[in-house]
Amino acid sequence: DIQMTQSPSSLSASVGDRVTITCRASQGVRNDLGWYQQKPGKAPKGLIYAASSLQSGVPSRFSGSGSGTEFTLTISSLQPEDFATYYCLQHNSYPLTFGQGTKVEIK
Amino acid sequence: QVQLQESGPGLVKPSQTLSLTCTVSGGSISSGDHYWTWIRQPPGKGLEWIGYVYYNGNTYYNPSLKSRVTISVDTSKNQFSLKLSSVTAADTAVYYCARDPYGYGDYSRGQIWGQGTLVTVSS
Repeated sequence: DIQMTQSPSSLSASVGDRVTITCRASQGVRNDLGWYQQKPGKAPKGLIYAASSLQSGVPSRFSGSGSGTEFTLTISSLQPEDFATYYCLQHNSYPLTFGQGTKVEIK
Repeated sequence: QVQLQESGPGLVKPSQTLSLTCTVSGGSISSGDHYWTWIRQPPGKGLEWIGYVYYNGNTYYNPSLKSRVTISVDTSKNQFSLKLSSVTAADTAVYYCARDPYGYGDYSRGQIWGQGTLVTVSS
């Protein structure tokens, strides 16, 4: 299985801050990686696909980058509605695997 | 607009079989363009991919669960189902169904998730 390691596991930030979350794959996944946002009691919502493409309707403050084994999700200016848990997902190889999540909390 | 809805018992006894159904509305499960997926999330923990079924019945399961999992499709009812046998407390989780692109390839048209259903394994 491909292991997806996210860092940090949690962070505290203020509204307006720039936030960066990293996901590392134990082996190359090309750009077959997505980022998801999950709020309590809700299903995950897709933010980024193909490592760097924004899903329709997602605010432009979200961006993704990377290829191969290292990927980054950046929120350029954190908004109140962005406090949530974020997951990466590799869909290059079976079984599909998620990162363990990064909880973004209010400072 | 395609929607997915999970249904099934919220409480299952240890050693029994967990059975869930995902009903697809607003679109056909037989379109051939999608994989129909099950994912789970234990309370307070991360997400685990369980497996998928294609409309023709082809499946792939997570090896960690393969010996206990069966995912099937009923095109006449526009539904697909999950069965997980010999459950223990470790199988307590929110179970999500989802529609993914065929081959888990092109996600440019997004992915659709059901709202999730909590299944508790307890006597």
